[in-house]
Amino acid sequence: QVQLQESGPGLVKPSGTLSLTCAVSGGSISSSNWWSWVRQPPGKGLEWIGEIYHSGSTNYNPSLKSRVTISVDKSKNQFSLKLSSVTAADTAVYYCARFYTIVGAPHYFDYWGQGTLVTVSS
Amino acid sequence: QSALTQPASVSGSPGQSITISCTGTSSDVGSYNLVSWYQQHPGKAPKLMIYEVSKRPSGVSNRFSGSKSGNTASLTISGLQAEDEADYYCCSYAGSSWVFGGGTKLTVL
Repeated sequence: QVQLQESGPGLVKPSGTLSLTCAVSGGSISSSNWWSWVRQPPGKGLEWIGEIYHSGSTNYNPSLKSRVTISVDKSKNQFSLKLSSVTAADTAVYYCARFYTIVGAPHYFDYWGQGTLVTVSS
Repeated sequence: QSALTQPASVSGSPGQSITISCTGTSSDVGSYNLVSWYQQHPGKAPKLMIYEVSKRPSGVSNRFSGSKSGNTASLTISGLQAEDEADYYCCSYAGSSWVFGGGTKLTVL
């Protein structure tokens, strides 16, 4: 059973950089799956942030692309999110998730972390 | 890249059936059979209910079914039960990116 656990600061100052890590257990991050970040502002819907493959290949939401970096650390079996120049609009619960992948292409989210609330405030 | 369109809320009585629509465009829902549906209870992570338009993961009740016609996908829940009350989100591949619907709150009366 794959498990994902987000970690990182719960409070980030405006104009700063949000940094989160997702630790993967019960499976290898080098398996043939993509890994993703999704966020949910309080009381609002889900928004896909981006995805990464263990090779380091990435795809990002066009609306966030200029501010987002997702990276992978195979030695620690984890992947990370950095979101720069944050504002109050970036306040959200951030989830990491596994994309079940078929023949190299992501198909659907099958495992999710519990989510972590990040508040942007001075 | 705009969010897929879902009704904000739907409701039904126990035992009834409801359908939640998810309308996209020819660039996402209409072009790919990579539509999935997620159930989210308050304070919890989303849970996969339907993938690839109409397939059900192991462990998900056969009361949940999915379909697609053109640019619109649908989730149908039959035999409504109290525990089905939750938020539901559709998600579609959009060519190197993914887009979610705005979410639908299902109330079981």
